Amino acid sequence: EPEVTQTPSHQVTQMGQEVILRCVPISNHLYFYWYRQILGQKVEFLVSFYNNEISEKSEIFDDQFSVERPDGSNFTLKIRSTKLEDSAMYFCASSSEVRGNTIYFGEGSWLTVV
Amino acid sequence: DAKTTQPNSMESNEEEPVHLPCNHSTISGTDYIHWYRQLPSQGPEYVIHGLTSNVNNRMASLAIAEDRKSSTLILHRATLRDAAVYYCAANFGNEKLTFGTGTRLTIIP
Repeated sequence: EPEVTQTPSHQVTQMGQEVILRCVPISNHLYFYWYRQILGQKVEFLVSFYNNEISEKSEIFDDQFSVERPDGSNFTLKIRSTKLEDSAMYFCASSSEVRGNTIYFGEGSWLTVV
Repeated sequence: DAKTTQPNSMESNEEEPVHLPCNHSTISGTDYIHWYRQLPSQGPEYVIHGLTSNVNNRMASLAIAEDRKSSTLILHRATLRDAAVYYCAANFGNEKLTFGTGTRLTIIP
């Protein structure tokens, strides 16, 4: 069964450093997402991406965050200058359509900012 | 307010049916209701989704209230592997899926 893959599975970074989280969505999907989950809390939407541009973003997704699809397969989330409160599990997801279609999630990248 | 509400936790005996409720009174007429589950240290796993009619798949059934303000995920015969946090989610008129706080399901052997 096709799956969303994410790297790294775990990253520890110092506060103020830049971090790039990588994702390979399911190959025929057109919509891509990043969600995050702070330890013990619910899954929160960050951003959606379609047709090479951001289609929706949350208030969490401020100027420190950016997303990119640098080639036909990868989808990345960059945090420019990490803060302690950015420590969380970051999930990439993809779907073939919006709304009524299933969103498939990756296993997540656990980011620890120290 | 665009959100789903679920009980924090539920318990069920192994091999018995489980009914997990969710309220989503503010969804729009075109919003699908989605259910995901999450095992520790894993990503959310799709379980089922539906719009108006009740839905069945190999994992579960979804019963949607006639007014669509609530739904119930039904696991017909719970096993120990079904222990997880179950999330109800909906689009609420947007592209994003808004997740609830989830129900932690414990299965008692």
